[in-house]
Amino acid sequence: DQQVKQNSPSLSVQEGRISILNCDYTNSMFDYFLWYKKYPAEGPTFLISISSIKDKNEDGRFTVFLNKSAKHLSLHIVPSQPGDSAVYFCAAPTPGGSGNTGKLIFGQGTTLQVKP
Amino acid sequence: EPEVTQTPSHQVTQMGQEVILRCVPISNHLYFYWYRQILGQKVEFLVSFYNNEISEKSEIFDDQFSVERPDGSNFTLKIRSTKLEDSAMYFCASSGPGGGDNEQFFGPGTRLTVL
Repeated sequence: DQQVKQNSPSLSVQEGRISILNCDYTNSMFDYFLWYKKYPAEGPTFLISISSIKDKNEDGRFTVFLNKSAKHLSLHIVPSQPGDSAVYFCAAPTPGGSGNTGKLIFGQGTTLQVKP
Repeated sequence: EPEVTQTPSHQVTQMGQEVILRCVPISNHLYFYWYRQILGQKVEFLVSFYNNEISEKSEIFDDQFSVERPDGSNFTLKIRSTKLEDSAMYFCASSGPGGGDNEQFFGPGTRLTVL
């Protein structure tokens, strides 16, 4: 199931710089997207979401951008901190007959390393 | 802050044995889910549960799997006869009234090892 793809398995940035994590999707019916962060031996932690009626959503250091025509979203972290080092997943719920189902489709994840 | 909890954190079992993984979702949530992540692979949806019944299940969720909400707080995943390929991290999640239009909150996971 390749409906949500994160093509970069890893990313390394310097503390204080911007981290940009990318995600592509193939199903044009997706209308809601989520980013999760995962530390080793923990479950995914919800970070930020975006609805397809928006092209940007911001929460503190985290901003998600959505480009519907390109079927692409990105997560920007500014400034990056060593504590941001984790695996980041993008996900989308599959559309159903009356709204989205709860079945989240996850990307493969991108491991972010922020160096002090 | 409310959180989803899961027990045990690690379960080791012999092939063919039954296991029950337990979860306590966030108390006012209505939608409950199980996912799994095989080492090195994606997080995969298994099943969603709402109003005391399964609302959706994946092709992975075959007759060997079942879910139950035995009381007002627990949500369990049972694997009747475990196989080697069931070894994975199993995550429980829950979400509020919006269901698929709300973020899901995940527990810390149970690592299942089938020998």
